[in-house]
Amino acid sequence: DAGVIQSPRHEVTEMGQEVTLRCKPISGHDYLFWYRQTMMRGLELLIYFNNNVPIDDSGMPEDRFSAKMPNASFSTLKIQPSEPRDSAVYFCASKTGFRQETQYFGPGTRLLVL
Amino acid sequence: GENVEQHPSTLSVQEGDSAVIKCTYSDSASNYFPWYKQELGKRPQLIIDIRSNVGEKKDQRIAVTLNKTAKHFSLHITETQPEDSAVYFCAANPGNTPLVFGKGTRLSVIA
Repeated sequence: DAGVIQSPRHEVTEMGQEVTLRCKPISGHDYLFWYRQTMMRGLELLIYFNNNVPIDDSGMPEDRFSAKMPNASFSTLKIQPSEPRDSAVYFCASKTGFRQETQYFGPGTRLLVL
Repeated sequence: GENVEQHPSTLSVQEGDSAVIKCTYSDSASNYFPWYKQELGKRPQLIIDIRSNVGEKKDQRIAVTLNKTAKHFSLHITETQPEDSAVYFCAANPGNTPLVFGKGTRLSVIA
């Protein structure tokens, strides 16, 4: 099992540019989560999907952020246009639909917006 | 909704001593309580979890206790080692919904 896969691992971009983060969940997991982690705000849930359908996007900070899950093995988180305050580590996590099952995190994407 | 409080936010212990991190939760429907360890620059990784039908669980130097009546659970690390230095997160799951995480505890083990 390769675990949750994220790409890129590091991204440096300039303010105003579009950023796309990618995630491949663990095979067979039907829940996918996007988190943002910063020193100031800790670990924040941005959005999560169940069976490729967005369930709760109340954590998405602004309309500049969007997320999609076109199939069970792929999800994207897009920021357009990016701003310096978006600099953070973005984690993707997945789990099965059963209760009392834990979430497994990907390695994260470290984003720096200059 | 569920709210998880975690204390302390930072903890320093001498190598070989024990460390205890405590969490409280608000939703009595929560029935699953994992603990994650996050080393610097790495992802959060599950180290131990406990379900609501169990009061205590142990895995080598790590143990977790759960008090459902008081709605609190704790992580205990015995014989701490420098490699235990990390940020530890507790979490609660009130159902088939996302985990609700505590703010984290930065543990430093001083050699």
